[in-house]
Amino acid sequence: QSVLTQPPSVSGAPGQRVTIPCTGSSSNLGSGYDVYWYQQLPGTAPKLLIYANINRPSGVPDRFSGSKSGTSASLAITGLQAEDEADYYCQSYDSSLGPVVFGGGTKLTV
Amino acid sequence: QVQLQESGPGLVKPPQTLSLTCTVSGGSISSGGYYWSWIRQLPGKGLEWIGYIYYSGVTYYNPSLKSRITISVETSKNQFSLKLSSVTAADTAVYYCARDSSGGSGSFDIWGPGTMVIVSS
Repeated sequence: QSVLTQPPSVSGAPGQRVTIPCTGSSSNLGSGYDVYWYQQLPGTAPKLLIYANINRPSGVPDRFSGSKSGTSASLAITGLQAEDEADYYCQSYDSSLGPVVFGGGTKLTV
Repeated sequence: QVQLQESGPGLVKPPQTLSLTCTVSGGSISSGGYYWSWIRQLPGKGLEWIGYIYYSGVTYYNPSLKSRITISVETSKNQFSLKLSSVTAADTAVYYCARDSSGGSGSFDIWGPGTMVIVSS
């Protein structure tokens, strides 16, 4: 069981908007620690999508956005495209388990 | 730009020690400011952080693996390495090295392509 909880799968039609939740606790997101999001396309290494809750690295389309409130965070993807079909992981710091903990991942089907 | 590349045996016998090296190109580990991590992904599963090292040699390991892990750095070769002892089939995974740009708490902005390690006799 991951300390950060994500739904195993979400789906949406092309052009739609989807959100992927990441639920934590008082020892991680609830303590104000930042959340990071990664996209992993099939057969490739993960790619940083969102850092420090809401920021996009250079080159990441603005269709991707992050938010965080209390013990939860969320990744939103608007204008869904077939190429967005991938696994998405949230990650944060946990005061009990260590500096890096990942969510279990969410498979997005477009 | 900075690139990472994992290398090492693709097959390890239990209960031997798994040894991998990550070579950093396009930038110097010694320049500081970044932590260098190992992360693995079991087949069909999610990501598991193994541990990190700073260029000075400071390390932090995943508590669940701590007793079996050693991460070291060789700044002269611009490399850092992972040793995982007493491996079992449960250690079969794709192993990634990654650069952490947030002071040791994540934000892995650069990843190696990953290397598959199978543990089998």
